[in-house]
Amino acid sequence: EAGVVQSPRYKIIEKKQPVAFWCNPISGHNTLYWYLQNLGQGPELLIRYENEEAVDDSQLPKDRFSAERLKGVDSTLKIQPAELGDSAVYLCASSFVITGGVGELFFGEGSRLTVL
Amino acid sequence: AQSVSQHNHHVILSEAASLELGCNYSYGGTVNLFWYVQYPGQHLQLLLKYFSGDPLVKGIKGFEAEFIKSKFSFNLRKPSVQWSDTAEYFCAGNNAGNMLTFGGGTRLMVKP
Repeated sequence: EAGVVQSPRYKIIEKKQPVAFWCNPISGHNTLYWYLQNLGQGPELLIRYENEEAVDDSQLPKDRFSAERLKGVDSTLKIQPAELGDSAVYLCASSFVITGGVGELFFGEGSRLTVL
Repeated sequence: AQSVSQHNHHVILSEAASLELGCNYSYGGTVNLFWYVQYPGQHLQLLLKYFSGDPLVKGIKGFEAEFIKSKFSFNLRKPSVQWSDTAEYFCAGNNAGNMLTFGGGTRLMVKP
């Protein structure tokens, strides 16, 4: 069974440029998460989708970050424009969750962003 | 704010030593707790989880964790570590309906 697939694995851009990350969750998982992981720290939630609906995006910096999950499957996370402080690993995870609960999260390998 | 904290940022052990990594949470009421591991160059993987029932939870690769409600703790243990246990370990928790929050992680290095 395929796991959570993310691309690209690595991205190097100059500041003020846009960047997009893509995530394909495990088939059948209704919940998708985007996490940000800075070096030496634990993952921090950016946004959580239940099917197509963003149910928790309070930590997403909406002035430059946007996300979508069309059709409740794949998701993209975009940063425009990128800043130096956005350099981090962007993790996607998915799970099957009954409303109000939390299931086991399965993580992708992450997309490492370097902003120069 | 609800949070998860890990006391040890870096731990260095020799092979066959015993391991205990601390984790404390600040949730009230029913809580779900997890330990994830990230081996070098790999993605986060679930080691074990606690939802309810027996507070001593056994996970993969010989790891276990004990939920102590009175201490708000969920420490990870392994009686005898191996070089292959070198990784970063993350404690995480939530209560029903709330987002999963991760601790800052503990980087374990096991010397052969």
